Amino acid sequence: DIVLTQSPDSLAVSLGERATIKCTSSQSLLFSSNNENYLAWYQQRPGQPPKLLIYWASTRESGVPDRFSGSGSGTDFTLTISSLQAEDVAVYYCQQQYSTPQTFGQGTKVEIK
Amino acid sequence: EVQLVESGGGLVQPGGSLRLSCAASGFTFSSYEMNWVRQAPGKGLEWVSYISSSGSSIYYVDSVEGRFTISRDNAKNALYLQMHSLRAEDTAVYYCARVKVRGDIITGALDIWGQGTMVTVSS
Repeated sequence: DIVLTQSPDSLAVSLGERATIKCTSSQSLLFSSNNENYLAWYQQRPGQPPKLLIYWASTRESGVPDRFSGSGSGTDFTLTISSLQAEDVAVYYCQQQYSTPQTFGQGTKVEIK
Repeated sequence: EVQLVESGGGLVQPGGSLRLSCAASGFTFSSYEMNWVRQAPGKGLEWVSYISSSGSSIYYVDSVEGRFTISRDNAKNALYLQMHSLRAEDTAVYYCARVKVRGDIITGALDIWGQGTMVTVSS
C-alpha cells in the first residue's frame, strides 16, 4: 500500500500569513500515460464532510479560492494557503488515487495563531 | 443541486449486519464511479470501497474484504454498502463520495460527498 505522510501534524498561522502543508508519498504518484499526479487535497471543517480543493496535485477545483494552491510531482507535494483566513481553520488531508487501496494522509490541523 | 444523501446507520452489536444507502440526485448517477470512505470518531479518513459506473469493477480495503459488499442500482440512483460481521473498529461515520470527471477523463479525486451516516458497533 502507498503510505502518505503529512507534515506538520498541526500548525498555527496568523491571519493573512502563509500556511504550508507537505505530503510525502512512499512511491511515485505520476501516471505516465497522461503525465498527471494522482494526488488530491481536501479540507474538512469541524462537523462537515471533506471538500475537494485540489486534484492532479495542482489543479484547483471549481469555486475554490485562489489562495489555495497545490504543487509537487512524483513523491513530494505541497498545499499552500497564501493568506490564511478565519474560515480556513480545518483539517487538511492529501489522498492518492494512483493505486488501490486509495490512501489518505493522517491530516494536518490548521489553526489561527 | 448535485447531492448525495446517506442513510441506514445506527447502533449494532458486534457480529451484526447493517446496510447503508446513498441516494444520488442532480447528476447522471450511472456515469460516475463511486466510493465509500469512513472516519472513526476523532480520527482521519479511510477509504473503504470503490465501484465502477457499471458496477463491473469493485475494490475493498483489506480490513473489510469478505465482510462488506458494495453495490449500486443505476435505475434507482442509489449506492449501497452491505456490512456483515461488524466489529468495534468499524465504528465510524460512513461517507459516500463521487469520483470527479473532467471532460471525459476520470481524475480519481472525490468531488461530491454526502453528509455521512454514523455506524456504532457496540454491545
